[in-house]
Amino acid sequence: SAVISQKPSRDICQRGTSLTIQCQVDSQVTMMFWYRQQPGQSLTLIATANQGSEATYESGFVIDKFPISRPNLTFSTLTVSNMSPEDSSIYLCSVEVRDNYGYTFGSGTRLTVV
Amino acid sequence: GQQLNQSPQSMFIQEGEDVSMNCTSSSIFNTWLWYKQDPGEGPVLLIALYKAGELTSNGRLTAQFGITRKDSFLNISASIPSDVGIYFCAGRETSYDKVIFGPGTSLSVIP
Repeated sequence: SAVISQKPSRDICQRGTSLTIQCQVDSQVTMMFWYRQQPGQSLTLIATANQGSEATYESGFVIDKFPISRPNLTFSTLTVSNMSPEDSSIYLCSVEVRDNYGYTFGSGTRLTVV
Repeated sequence: GQQLNQSPQSMFIQEGEDVSMNCTSSSIFNTWLWYKQDPGEGPVLLIALYKAGELTSNGRLTAQFGITRKDSFLNISASIPSDVGIYFCAGRETSYDKVIFGPGTSLSVIP
């Protein structure tokens, strides 16, 4: 299975600022995803990161708030913009290595907004 | 929209006991996945199921894809302290759909 590296692993940020999270995979993958896990909650899909085109966002998530880049088949970034305390969550990068096999997750970025 | 329910929400068991948890969906799924998440880590895939009725084992873990395709269960035999964590079921309706996650079952093992 793929190995995913996420940076940073955690951060404490001031409200109103932005944070960019990086996701690096050790092999080329077709599908990359970004999830959010709010404290004590399950995982919610933010968007699918598409290589060479705009990300596909789920209901309730917009590009202005969560811009995503996917310049190649091994790398993606998620930016959390104009942060508020409600954005305090774990943000997880995920990939699907082969069709219908299930997702592999990075260890996540624990974000606290103060 | 699609929704998954997991039960129980939390469990406290003695070391050595067997554990059973289940997951139900409001719609028919073609894939069921079971994940475990340790504190400070991302979820790790335990078992993947692709056919109705399929029973799959991974060490002390056994999971089944329900015949109705609307449910799945996960059993853990002879629990040990490192089984502590949150177990998520996940699934999707077709190969082209996104994977959605259940709310999780928190497992605590008392030595």
